Amino acid sequence: GAVVSQHPSWVICKSGTSVKIECRSLDFQATTMFWYRQFPKQSLMLMATSNEGSKATYEQGVEKDKFLINHASLTLSTLTVTSAHPEDSSFYICSAREPLSVNEQFFGPGTRLTVL
Amino acid sequence: QKEVEQDPGPLSVPEGAIVSLNCTYSNSAFQYFMWYRQYSRKGPELLMYTYSSGNKEDGRFTAQVDKSSKYISLFIRDSQPSDSATYLCAMIGTNAGKSTFGDGTTLTVKP
Repeated sequence: GAVVSQHPSWVICKSGTSVKIECRSLDFQATTMFWYRQFPKQSLMLMATSNEGSKATYEQGVEKDKFLINHASLTLSTLTVTSAHPEDSSFYICSAREPLSVNEQFFGPGTRLTVL
Repeated sequence: QKEVEQDPGPLSVPEGAIVSLNCTYSNSAFQYFMWYRQYSRKGPELLMYTYSSGNKEDGRFTAQVDKSSKYISLFIRDSQPSDSATYLCAMIGTNAGKSTFGDGTTLTVKP
């Protein structure tokens, strides 16, 4: 299957700082990428849908000014958590969809964010 | 009420057992049904997907979809300790639509 990478795999930061997480599709072009957040022992919560070259579509209750998403190319989407606080500590996972595979999502390995 | 319901378990079985994992849903527009496996601290991995009703088999895994009952299942035959993970069902209503995930079932296969 297609490969999606994320960087960094884990990050610890101080409260008030911003953190950028990268999501890359390594062997295919992804016109659509998704960003999820997952708390311990809970399911995936979709935060936003990112389409290359256009603004991301955020789910209800997700602050777009706090979680900045940029999908500048067909292989890269970034999520920036601005002014992070301890309650933002979570596992952030991206996924990408191949243009010709409308039902398959390939997930990245996730980024564990801890805000002190 | 959630669109997709999945028993979180935990489910514990001995090695070699047949495992049955299930999800129910309420949205009759769902057309694509997926099962993902997620190991601890890792991203989900697609196991199988099925379009509409029917069965699909891949090695030790069999996915079943019954749209009339709005019920999907994943069977694992000859379960192995390496199958220990959280299994998530997911569904999509239309082409290129968003996936709706179940909460996941945590499975432990004991040697």
